Amino acid sequence: SQTIHQWPATLVQPVGSPLSLECTVEGTSNPNLYWYRQAAGRGLQLLFYSVGIGQISSEVPQNLSASRPQDRQFILSSKKLLLSDSGFYLCAWGLGTSGGETQYFGPGTRLLVL
Amino acid sequence: GESVGLHLPTLSVQEGDNSIINCAYSNSASDYFIWYKQESGKGPQFIIDIRSNMDKRQGQRVTVLLNKTVKHLSLQIAATQPGDSAVYFCAERGTYKYIFGTGTRLKVLA
Repeated sequence: SQTIHQWPATLVQPVGSPLSLECTVEGTSNPNLYWYRQAAGRGLQLLFYSVGIGQISSEVPQNLSASRPQDRQFILSSKKLLLSDSGFYLCAWGLGTSGGETQYFGPGTRLLVL
Repeated sequence: GESVGLHLPTLSVQEGDNSIINCAYSNSASDYFIWYKQESGKGPQFIIDIRSNMDKRQGQRVTVLLNKTVKHLSLQIAATQPGDSAVYFCAERGTYKYIFGTGTRLKVLA
């Protein structure tokens, strides 16, 4: 069966510090990978998605970036965090099929920027 | 992205009763829909899905109804239990992307 991991689970960082969040998927090959941010009481905001190694599509221009160095690894980064980067970050995976793609989410990383 | 604010609509249901959670979607061309359950501090959990060529699908204690005429989706939970307390939200599928609702908080009263 497939599993998705995220770490760290919780992170407290000062403004201006760098960020690296990691997501890995097990039990599947060539998944579509996604980074979302969820602010308190709001819907999921798609940040980045990737349909293959080295391929990244950005949905929201901001100070975040994403990379996919391996098939089942997705990394969310920032060189300098802003206060507004605080939130709950979710990684998701899905397999593109002609019938539709179900997205499965990881446990999330709660980021607090102070 | 969508922006509704900090206060989610809340549905309070007596334990053992049935719950109905509603969702309005935006794109009449959307062909696939998912309901997720999210408990506090956790990632969303897949509950049930439905394709646009169906109007009803049943799972274990859950039923999803799709009304394409009015672009409306509903999730019915039978015999609601305390463990069902969570935020529920729907998602409609586009090309590689989903549009997510902000959700409804379900509170189960003992």
